[in-house]
Order: sequence, then structure tokens, then C-alpha cells
Amino acid sequence: DTVLTQSPALAVSPGERVTISCRASESVSTGMHWYQQKPGQQPKLLIYGASNLESGVPARFSGSGSGTDFTLTIDPVEADDTATYFCQQSWNDPYTFGAGTKLELK
Amino acid sequence: QVQLKESGPGLVQPSQTLSLTCTVSGLSLTSNSVSWIRQPPGKGLEWMGVIWSDGGTDYNSATKSRLSISRDTSKSQVFLKMNSLQTEDTAMYFCARIERDGYYHDYFDYWGQGVMVTVSS
Repeated sequence: DTVLTQSPALAVSPGERVTISCRASESVSTGMHWYQQKPGQQPKLLIYGASNLESGVPARFSGSGSGTDFTLTIDPVEADDTATYFCQQSWNDPYTFGAGTKLELK
Repeated sequence: QVQLKESGPGLVQPSQTLSLTCTVSGLSLTSNSVSWIRQPPGKGLEWMGVIWSDGGTDYNSATKSRLSISRDTSKSQVFLKMNSLQTEDTAMYFCARIERDGYYHDYFDYWGQGVMVTVSS
């Protein structure tokens, strides 16, 4: 299975720029997607196809990458962005998710 | 407005069978595909399987031998059945709609709120 590796946690101040990384154990082309999950809620799609912003998601969120290295950028970060962020690949079978990066605001 | 809602028992005994239902509204199951995804407490997400719009199914090999996904299109319901449950199957179970972009990349754009299943005697 394709393993997706994410940093466990990040802490940033409101108004700053933050990048969350996701590295795949093998190429996933641009089949990488990003989700935001707040405690007690279901995940919410932010970015699909590595760089496409889901409808209704603020333009502060952006994604980039291809192959094995991907990033989710939030600029500027707002207090409401406190959440866990998951990457997910759909290029290789089975679909897999990263363990998540918990974003905390200082 | 697309909505998915999971339902099922909150508690299942070890070795028993889990049966969950995902009721969808705002979309047709004959033209949309639905997956089951689970999340153990405090942990990450695991894709379990999918029922495609044509009725075909695919499963994650990790649970394939115990898992069955089916549907009733007339009732707009998708079902999950998993047998031989163990304590490690304790998790929040989500159903989610699969969308596919122009490059055949599949992602989950609509999710249910999830149903918590605890495996315990």
C-alpha cells in the first residue's frame, strides 16, 4: 500500500503562512487530495487533484506538488483553521490517507 | 442538497457481525459511487471499500475477507456488513460520495456525520 507521511503537528500564529507536507512512498501523479477535520466532525474536502480548490473553500487554501511530494498552504492562517489536516491518494490501490497533521494556533 | 447519513448499532459484541446503513439524499446511487471509511478513536482514516454507480464493488485488502458492501437504489441506501468483529474494529464509520475529476482521480466530496461503533462484550 502507498504510505503517506505527514508531520504530526504544527503551531503557528494567526496571520502567518503555514505549509503542511505530505510525502508518498511511491508516485501518485497528481492524485492527491486534502481534507480538514475538526474535533467531532467529518472530514471536509479542501483540495483535489493536488492543486484544485474545492468549491466554497476560501482561497487562503492552496495545494501543490506531483509525484511523491505535496504541500497544503494556508495563507494567512485564521483562528478557525485549528484542525487536523489529512492527505489522501487515489492513484494506487487501495486509497490511503496520511496520519494527519494537527494545526494549532499560538 | 446532497446529504449522507449513517445509522447502525453503537455496540457490537466481539465475533459478531456489524451492519450499517448509509441513507443518501440529493443524488442517485445509479449515477454516484459511495465509499465506507473508518477512523479509530484518535487515529487516522482507513478506506474500506466502494460500491460503484454500476453496482460493482472494490474493497481494501485489509478487510476484504470480512466485508460486504451492497445497496438498494430504490431506497437510496448503501449497506456495510462486516463479520468477525474484534476490538480493533472500534471506530467511527463514515460513508462518503466519490467524485472523479478529469484525470480519473477519485476523492470524497460529501461525507456523512459518521456513526460510532464500539466492539466490546
